[in-house]
Order: sequence, then structure tokens, then C-alpha cells
Amino acid sequence: NAGVTQTPKFRILKIGQSMTLQCAQDMNHNYMYWYRQDPGMGLKLIYYSVGAGITDKGEVPNGYNVSRSTTEDFPLRLELAAPSQTSVYFCASSYLPGASEAFFGQGTRLTVV
Amino acid sequence: DQQVKQNSPSLSVQEGRISILNCDYTNSMFDYFLWYKKYPAEGPTFLISISSIKDKNEDGRFTVFLNKSAKHLSLHIVPSQPGDSAVYFCAASAISGAGSYQLTFGKGTKLSVIP
Repeated sequence: NAGVTQTPKFRILKIGQSMTLQCAQDMNHNYMYWYRQDPGMGLKLIYYSVGAGITDKGEVPNGYNVSRSTTEDFPLRLELAAPSQTSVYFCASSYLPGASEAFFGQGTRLTVV
Repeated sequence: DQQVKQNSPSLSVQEGRISILNCDYTNSMFDYFLWYKKYPAEGPTFLISISSIKDKNEDGRFTVFLNKSAKHLSLHIVPSQPGDSAVYFCAASAISGAGSYQLTFGKGTKLSVIP
């Protein structure tokens, strides 16, 4: 009964480094999302996917890339990490698009120094 | 420009009393609203939702009220319990159109229920 699993839980990156945040769901949901939450702020959508092979930008996509080769996995790639990308990242999935209940992972706390 | 506003960063309530969390929105295209609850070091969990065709939705101790003319919704928790202490996020979506995949979140209200 895993739901949405994110790895790693914590990571410290140096400026200019790259990394991939992993996200997997076992609920056979077509819709998957990546959000970031900055301190004292609400969640902002980075990218979303409506199914394997289909992705699109959200509100704050700059500096990130995604891919969706399978229904289960939706990795988020950070290229050339910058301090502005210090945040908590949440992956989510849902059975229906945006307006339905989304299931969230536990989050990845990323610090760029 | 914030389209979903939760103007109270925090709220303290005595156990057993009613908690009322408020949310305002500016985008008239929003037609679906959700509340999420978040504990520290965990992801948000869905609590309750309401469609714009309704003005009230109830689930156990949780009731959400929607006032479309005022672009305002509120979450009532009765009675409040210490386990309700968490950050509550209001979120909004447009069911159709370009924004239908996107949830717009407020900044959250931290509820503390005092035993």
C-alpha cells in the first residue's frame, strides 16, 4: 500500500550540479504532478503529465525537465542547480485531472549551496 | 498576484470548539475547491472538496462552505481535536479549459488545537 513514493527525502546540491528526483506511484493513476513549496508559500506546479509519454509545463517550469516513460514513474530533473531551487518538492498523482483528489508523496527537501 | 488567499497564517482553538479556516479567491474561472491537510515532514493529504454548483459539503466533523458571489470559502471543523493540528491548504481549480490540470494553492493556515 505504498501510494506515491519519492526519493531521496533530503539532498544537498552544490550550485551547478544536476540531480534527478524520483517519483513512483502504484495506483495506476494517469495524472502525475510535480510541485514545489517554498517557505511560507503554497505549492506551485512545476510540471504535470496526463499519461505515459505526455508532459506539459506548469506555473514554474524553468530549470526543470521531466519525462514519463511509464504510468508508474515521473522523474524530475534539475540541471545546473541554483540557490533559487532550494525548496521542498512534492510529487502527486490523481485518477482524474486537477480538480480531483491528489495523492502526495512525502516530499524531497532540496538545498542548493 | 495571488489567486487563492488564506489571510490567516495561524489559528489557535481550544479542543472541542469550532475551528473556522477561511479562503478567498480572485479567479472567477475557478469552479472546484479542495482543502488539504499537511503534517510536518509529510505530504499534503486530501480532506474535503466542493464544486461550484454546491454551497456546502459535509464529511463527518468537516464542512466546507462556498459563497460564490463573495468568492469565499471556509472550512469548519467541529469539534476540534488535538490531532487536527496541522497546516491547512485551500486549493482551487478550473474543471475545464487550460487550467484544468492545475491546482492553485493558498499559502496555508497553521491550526493549533489546544487540549
